[in-house]
Amino acid sequence: GENVEQHPSTLSVQEGDSAVIKCTYSDSASNYFPWYKQELGKGPQLIIDIRSNVGEKKDQRIAVTLNKTAKHFSLHITETQPEDSAVYFCAASLDNSGYALNFGKGTSLLVTP
Amino acid sequence: GAVVSQHPSRVICKSGTSVKIECRSLDFQATTMFWYRQFPKQSLMLMATSNEGSKATYEQGVEKDKFLINHASLTLSTLTVTSAHPEDSSFYICSVLSGTGELFFGEGSRLTVL
Repeated sequence: GENVEQHPSTLSVQEGDSAVIKCTYSDSASNYFPWYKQELGKGPQLIIDIRSNVGEKKDQRIAVTLNKTAKHFSLHITETQPEDSAVYFCAASLDNSGYALNFGKGTSLLVTP
Repeated sequence: GAVVSQHPSRVICKSGTSVKIECRSLDFQATTMFWYRQFPKQSLMLMATSNEGSKATYEQGVEKDKFLINHASLTLSTLTVTSAHPEDSSFYICSVLSGTGELFFGEGSRLTVL
């Protein structure tokens, strides 16, 4: 089955700096890659997603890049703010949707003022 | 606004009792909902796929008689933890698949079994 690896497990940056979280997947047929932000005690929130027919997608300070050849995708957060502090999960699916997602283990991001 | 409503957000119960958690899709009709379980500082583990009008599909290792799922309408799925034990204490999160393929999660329910 699909295996999603996520790095780093923890990341600390200063406010205003950029943060990058990377994920790799094992099944080349995976075609949908969402990113979720989870704040303490809350459910995960979908922040951005990308499908395999595009290489990059951007939404304000958040961007995701996908390299299908290398089977990895990354989340980029620019101009980080303290409220970006949370756990971020990547995921991959073979279904071109959120059906049967395989999640990474998460990255705890801390943005210090 | 919220796409998925989950209730209760926190519940404490005695060992041996049953607890029901509700998950409602607010923005669209959902033929498919999912139930996840999350232990502290760990990732999300899919427990079961809830299908409206039919039996749920459980992941390997999840006891279907212990975690009863009912998806009686297109906007409501319920998870009942039967004869709860302390090891069932966890964060249970439901999710809804939108018509365009995005998966939206509820706010989660923290279950503590004493």
